[in-house]
Amino acid sequence: DAGVIQSPRHEVTEMGQEVTLRCKPISGHNSLFWYRQTMMRGLELLIYFNNNVPIDDSGMPEDRFSAKMPNASFSTLKIQPSEPRDSAVYFCASLDEAGGRRELFFGEGSRLTVL
Amino acid sequence: GQSLEQPSEVTAVEGAIVQINCTYQTSGFYGLSWYQQHDGGAPTFLSYNALDGLEETGRFSSFLSRSDSYGYLLLQELQMKDSASYFCAVSLNSGYSTLTFGKGTMLLVSP
Repeated sequence: DAGVIQSPRHEVTEMGQEVTLRCKPISGHNSLFWYRQTMMRGLELLIYFNNNVPIDDSGMPEDRFSAKMPNASFSTLKIQPSEPRDSAVYFCASLDEAGGRRELFFGEGSRLTVL
Repeated sequence: GQSLEQPSEVTAVEGAIVQINCTYQTSGFYGLSWYQQHDGGAPTFLSYNALDGLEETGRFSSFLSRSDSYGYLLLQELQMKDSASYFCAVSLNSGYSTLTFGKGTMLLVSP
C-alpha cells in the first residue's frame, strides 16, 4: 500500500478563498482523522470518522470548516472562507487497530498558507 | 477532556540515554502511544502501551504506569538522526479510537 495520500502538499491562497484538502486513507483502515499542527497549539484533532461516519467533530474550529468522507477511500477538509489564522499543516491519518494497538498512519501533510 | 504534559525540550549527546516523560489526566484511559516527527515530516508510530510495564523495540523502550497516569519513552545509544520531536498520545476506552496528542518534546542530539 502507498500509505495515506494527501493533496495538495502545499497551498498558498489569499484570505477569503476556499481551500479543499484531500486524503486517501490506507485501504482496510476503518477510521480516519484530520489533525491540524501549529507551533502554538501542537497537533489538534479536528474531526474523526469511523466507517465513513463523523464521530467527533468537536475540534472543528468553526462553521468555516467542514469535512466529508463520501466513501472508504476518500475524505475532504474544506475551509470557506479561509483566514490567515488557518495557516498550518493539516494532517490526515488512518488507524490500524490490528492487535489492539491503535497505530495511526499519517500522510505527509498539506501545508496551508493564507495571506 | 484530556490533558498531557511532557517537557518541551531535551538535549543529549550521541551515545547517551535519554528519557522523555509524559503525564496525563483523562477518564476512560485505554492506552499510551509515542510518535516521532522529524522537522517538516509526518509523525510516525514508535510504540504503544496498554498495560503497565516496559515495551522494548530495538533502541527505544516505552513504559506505562496506569496507577500513576505516567509513562516515558527511553531512547538508548542516541544517534544524530534521533533529533526530532516526540509526542505522547492517549487513546480512550470510549468505544471509539480517538487519540489526543501532547505538545511534543523536541530532542536535540549533539556530537
